[in-house]
Amino acid sequence: DGGITQSPKYLFRKEGQNVTLSCEQNLNHDAMYWYRQDPGQGLRLIYYSQIVNDFQKGDIAEGYSVSREKKESFPLTVTSAQKNPTAFYLCASSSRQGPSYEQYFGPGTRLTVT
Amino acid sequence: GESVGLHLPTLSVQEGDNSIINCAYSNSASDYFIWYKQESGKGPQFIIDIRSNMDKRQGQRVTVLLNKTVKHLSLQIAATQPGDSAVYFCAAVTGGFKTIFGAGTRLFVKA
Repeated sequence: DGGITQSPKYLFRKEGQNVTLSCEQNLNHDAMYWYRQDPGQGLRLIYYSQIVNDFQKGDIAEGYSVSREKKESFPLTVTSAQKNPTAFYLCASSSRQGPSYEQYFGPGTRLTVT
Repeated sequence: GESVGLHLPTLSVQEGDNSIINCAYSNSASDYFIWYKQESGKGPQFIIDIRSNMDKRQGQRVTVLLNKTVKHLSLQIAATQPGDSAVYFCAAVTGGFKTIFGAGTRLFVKA
């Protein structure tokens, strides 16, 4: 089955610790994205990558970092510099070939920092 | 800045009735629109899409209407079922890549 996997589903960390969220896709998609979702708000773009070894900041990149060493993988690190890291994090991917520009989403990781 | 908004944060309907969820977008250059369904604790799932050269598209029990003049789109769900209870997002895509998501409308289906 093709799709996107995120792990773990729930993650707990102490304040001041960095944490890395995993995202893997086997859809052969070039583009991958990380979003943050807070209650009552739309998805906010953290980082995106259109191709391997390249990525760009989204609207709320401060306190986060990413890497794209492989087409299939786009891990997100939430650093201690992120002031309010507790949220639901969603990874997505899309084909750049068209005609559909649909983003396929993973199941999400709920991060709680105390 | 560019935005996508939904008119109501929540919508409650009786089982069997039709549901209509509305969305407004700000960028007239947006040329592709998607509706997603998100169940609690899960990632959004694609429901239906529509291109800007169309004004209506139908799927199974769902219809999307697009009015480019007023930059508005709606999702209609026929014969709403309890399994339709979820948060529904619209998304506007510009230039084949830049995607802006709305905040979502939570649909409650009363039995």
